[in-house]
Amino acid sequence: QKEVEQNSGPLSVPEGAIASLNCTYSDRVSQSFFWYRQYSGKSPELIMSIYSNGDKEDGRFTAQLNKASQYVSLLIRDSQPSDSATYLCAALFSGGYNKLIFGAGTRLAVHP
Amino acid sequence: DAGVTQSPTHLIKTRGQQVTLRCSPKSGHDTVSWYQQALGQGPQFIFQYYEEEERQRGNFPDRFSGHQFPNYSSELNVNALLLGDSALYLCASSSLLQTRGEQYFGPGTRLTVT
Repeated sequence: QKEVEQNSGPLSVPEGAIASLNCTYSDRVSQSFFWYRQYSGKSPELIMSIYSNGDKEDGRFTAQLNKASQYVSLLIRDSQPSDSATYLCAALFSGGYNKLIFGAGTRLAVHP
Repeated sequence: DAGVTQSPTHLIKTRGQQVTLRCSPKSGHDTVSWYQQALGQGPQFIFQYYEEEERQRGNFPDRFSGHQFPNYSSELNVNALLLGDSALYLCASSSLLQTRGEQYFGPGTRLTVT
């Protein structure tokens, strides 16, 4: 099992809908998780971090962490065409040293 | 407040050559991590520098080396370039003692090896 896994997509949603992006992780990562947004040809941009079980909301974004089931999700409400990007799930390696382990990313396409 | 900067933006090299990439972290950050991102993949950890020392290394050969300077900026060197080294090289900036692991990426250097 890979340490962090994501469905590569593409996930296609209509404008205004809720986009749901999921990520599962193994025991080799710690309990700190991050979502990055990466536009084509650009570098990843940190949009959410979550450390505790439950939900964390920031504007149109909600991150959810379920430690029992070992998954992290990102919900994007009122999706806009400008949200079309690849979303990378990352976890802090449990061995310390601030090493991030990334999933391969899920490509999101929001169509008008 | 300047963000993470990297240079150059793009680079084209020939197999067997050597390359040096540069990174300056955000103001207030003291740790620099380097990642390689191949097309369609997530970033892969190369190594991390703190207090001018390499703290941890990913699964990359010794052809990949680095350095951190007293002002916290960092260089990534790759020797004997292979076609497979073509990728986006990302520098990530963080503060070892002040964060819970958040890392902020620079714009990256796109390396093409021909």
